[in-house]
Amino acid sequence: SQQGEEDPQALSIQEGENATMNCSYKTSINNLQWYRQNSGRGLVHLILIRSNEREKHSGRLRVTLDTSKKSSSLLITASRAADTASYFCATDAKGSNYKLTFGKGTLLTVNP
Amino acid sequence: NAGVMQNPRHLVRRRGQEARLRCSPMKGHSHVYWYRQLPEEGLKFMVYLQKENIIDESGMPKERFSAEFPKEGPSILRIQQVVRGDSAAYFCASSPNHGQGSYEQYFGPGTRLTVT
Repeated sequence: SQQGEEDPQALSIQEGENATMNCSYKTSINNLQWYRQNSGRGLVHLILIRSNEREKHSGRLRVTLDTSKKSSSLLITASRAADTASYFCATDAKGSNYKLTFGKGTLLTVNP
Repeated sequence: NAGVMQNPRHLVRRRGQEARLRCSPMKGHSHVYWYRQLPEEGLKFMVYLQKENIIDESGMPKERFSAEFPKEGPSILRIQQVVRGDSAAYFCASSPNHGQGSYEQYFGPGTRLTVT
């Protein structure tokens, strides 16, 4: 698998449910970031978690990071139809921490 | 505070023509990055620039692609003699001066290049 690989590839849920997306990576990192991309649009930065942090919250978002397993998860609680988008994790490797490596993303569909 | 601006949003070029993509970073940001996104793929790093300097162009194809970020004006990604395989979305991102290794990048809306 490539650096910053998300799973599942696609996730479909009902409004009000929680959505969990996972990201795995290969090399040591400084930071891990989550972005959202609506169809045909640019990326919106959601949250950054540093390698020495284990959990971070922002509104309805909760991100965890397990550096021993080289994995992260993004939880969106009480989902809304407007959360429908692709979600990408991006990692920056130690030594070149400006160079973000993205996975292919998880396509989340929230049905009203 | 305006976000990262890119233009044009859509660009159609015939094979062999030149494509010129522009990016204006957020106000106060001095670092610019270009990424390419192929259909159904994540973004791939191309180049990292500061004013008048190319810091890392390890993701740029060696031929036909060039980038600059002049002292005045936007950053430019130039693709010469475009081929169909260049069709993609090209995103620019910017970040402020990096303190404590945090490289939070803010992305523009992208330029969708179609080569016919």
